[in-house]
Amino acid sequence: NAGVTQTPKFQVLKTGQSMTLQCAQDMNHEYMSWYRQDPGMGLRLIHYSVGAGITDQGEVPNGYNVSRSTTEDFPLRLLSAAPSQTSVYFCASSYSRGQGSGNTIYFGEGSWLTVV
Amino acid sequence: AQSVTQPDIHITVSEGASLELRCNYSYGATPYLFWYVQSPGQGLQLLLKYFSGDTLVQGIKGFEAEFKRSQSSFNLRKPSVHWSDAAEYFCAVGIDQTGANNLFFGTGTRLTVIP
Repeated sequence: NAGVTQTPKFQVLKTGQSMTLQCAQDMNHEYMSWYRQDPGMGLRLIHYSVGAGITDQGEVPNGYNVSRSTTEDFPLRLLSAAPSQTSVYFCASSYSRGQGSGNTIYFGEGSWLTVV
Repeated sequence: AQSVTQPDIHITVSEGASLELRCNYSYGATPYLFWYVQSPGQGLQLLLKYFSGDTLVQGIKGFEAEFKRSQSSFNLRKPSVHWSDAAEYFCAVGIDQTGANNLFFGTGTRLTVIP
């Protein structure tokens, strides 16, 4: 049982490049989300999904795209990277609220992204 | 709108001393409340959570937190701090969105433990 797996762990991009942060979970969770963590700002929600084919914006969605074609995967795409997107990115998953299990939310280990 | 405030950016305690980390939230209904810990370069680990019932919640590593509705607070406590507790601590509130478990985090409190 791998839990929530994020790849890559570290990445350096040049301004304007595109890339995809991968996130996969093997717990059959319906809910998945992406957060970014910046110094002094805690974690902020970028996008989330409550099931395959369903996505929605969080607090800071600009510059990011997501899709949810399968229950297991929730990739985060940066179409044209900017220095302001230098951050640590965390993927999270859980059962959907109301489905019991205490709504425990599982986080990946993070992806460190630097845009130069 | 919901918000979480952790008023202490950095706290230093001596090993063996007691610890209390403050967390205040703003939310119109009964919130779901969480405390997470993050060691340097690591992900987030759930310490404890409050959904309903007993307002004193026990967590892992000897931590506990008390939900006080009248004060909109969910402070984290530990009676005797160990050097391994040095880390950053985040309080978070979960709001009631259908199917979604979105969290709103505070800005964190960094804990330094002095031998």
